[in-house]
Amino acid sequence: QQQVKQSPQSLIVQKGGISIINCAYENTAFDYFPWYQQFPGKGPALLIAIRPDVSEKKEGRFTISFNKSAKQFSLHIMDSQPGDSATYFCAASLSGTYKYIFGTGTRLKVLA
Amino acid sequence: DTAVSQTPKYLVTQMGNDKSIKCEQNLGHDTMYWYKQDSKKFLKIMFSYNNKELIINETVPNRFSPKSPDKAHLNLHINSLELGDSAVYFCASSQIGSPTGELFFGEGSRLTVL
Repeated sequence: QQQVKQSPQSLIVQKGGISIINCAYENTAFDYFPWYQQFPGKGPALLIAIRPDVSEKKEGRFTISFNKSAKQFSLHIMDSQPGDSATYFCAASLSGTYKYIFGTGTRLKVLA
Repeated sequence: DTAVSQTPKYLVTQMGNDKSIKCEQNLGHDTMYWYKQDSKKFLKIMFSYNNKELIINETVPNRFSPKSPDKAHLNLHINSLELGDSAVYFCASSQIGSPTGELFFGEGSRLTVL
């Protein structure tokens, strides 16, 4: 019930391509779904987040697609750049519980 | 100004020793966390404090003891270190009730137990 499953574990994309990372959750009570980006030697940082009342959120080249009925959400990185190479974590949270459940992470490498 | 700062950044120590990691946030947040990231990059919550009160205590060995002297500081003390404790420990903070509930992470403290 508390798991967030993330795939793929690693991803290699050519510069200019689209990177897609998928996550699935089980607990329908979750109401906040952020994506965090982590560069080597740094802590994770919030990239973009969505709440279940919308199906899509876009910020620049980054888009979250959310499918409430399927209990799935995904991160799309358009026009991927070498500087996007990092580990990406999806997460799910229940308001007021102070607790985030993180996915297992996806290591993205964008080739120049 | 670093928002969430942790010290030390690196720790190398022998099995059986005791070590501490300190964390401070200057964001005015009311909640602080310790996360453990293992070699496979899995991020797992260990503890959370809200206004100095322990609110999350995951299944963590008693050898780990967090302490929050005030809401801007959260320290982690580890007794009798074991090989399996080797990991990167991240401190984080958030403001409960904020519109985004965003977690702000420190840069991590890499602990290596020999």
